[in-house]
Amino acid sequence: GNSVTQMEGPVTLSEEAFLTINCTYTATGYPSLFWYVQYPGEGLQLLLKATKADDKGSNKGFEATYRKETTSFHLEKGSVQVSDSAVYFCALATSYDKVIFGPGTSLSVIP
Amino acid sequence: DTEVTQTPKHLVMGMTNKKSLKCEQHMGHRAMYWYKQKAKKPPELMFVYSYEKLSINESVPSRFSPECPNSSLLNLHLHALQPEDSALYLCASSSGTVNYGYTFGSGTRLTVV
Repeated sequence: GNSVTQMEGPVTLSEEAFLTINCTYTATGYPSLFWYVQYPGEGLQLLLKATKADDKGSNKGFEATYRKETTSFHLEKGSVQVSDSAVYFCALATSYDKVIFGPGTSLSVIP
Repeated sequence: DTEVTQTPKHLVMGMTNKKSLKCEQHMGHRAMYWYKQKAKKPPELMFVYSYEKLSINESVPSRFSPECPNSSLLNLHLHALQPEDSALYLCASSSGTVNYGYTFGSGTRLTVV
């Protein structure tokens, strides 16, 4: 079946450090891939997406590249800020109205 | 307007109460969703409405009853809930297929006592 695996953390980084959150997926067909972010006490926000192989999604300094050969969609940011502290969910969509979320990775950025 | 608005933000209800959660979007999105999220877990899909018709019910207990009165509104009626139903209930909408991604509301924090 379809599934998403990601490092669960928690991940703790110092401000301005480089961030990588790994995400791999299993899917039939050609899924679209997403990263959502959830700040404390809030709903989820779409951070970035990629709909086909080799696409790169980017937003707010975050990037992720759709790698079909390694079935991965790792999230990266060159220099994290305290305001990036949140839970990050990798997700995929294959069928018309269903999205499958990974378990989430909690990120804490300390000054 | 690029928001999904959920009310109330917090709700405490007894196991014999009847209450409703409300969700509203004015982006012209054709699909709306209810998700349930427990602490430190990913959201779990409950219901999907497409063009105001229920298209997916993920085997949700009948004490949860969704309703879509029009293309902008989505309700979730609650009756005889259990303490384990306490969670964050999230509404989302999407403009086309899920490949476009969701717009989520900020959720209703439900506590069943």
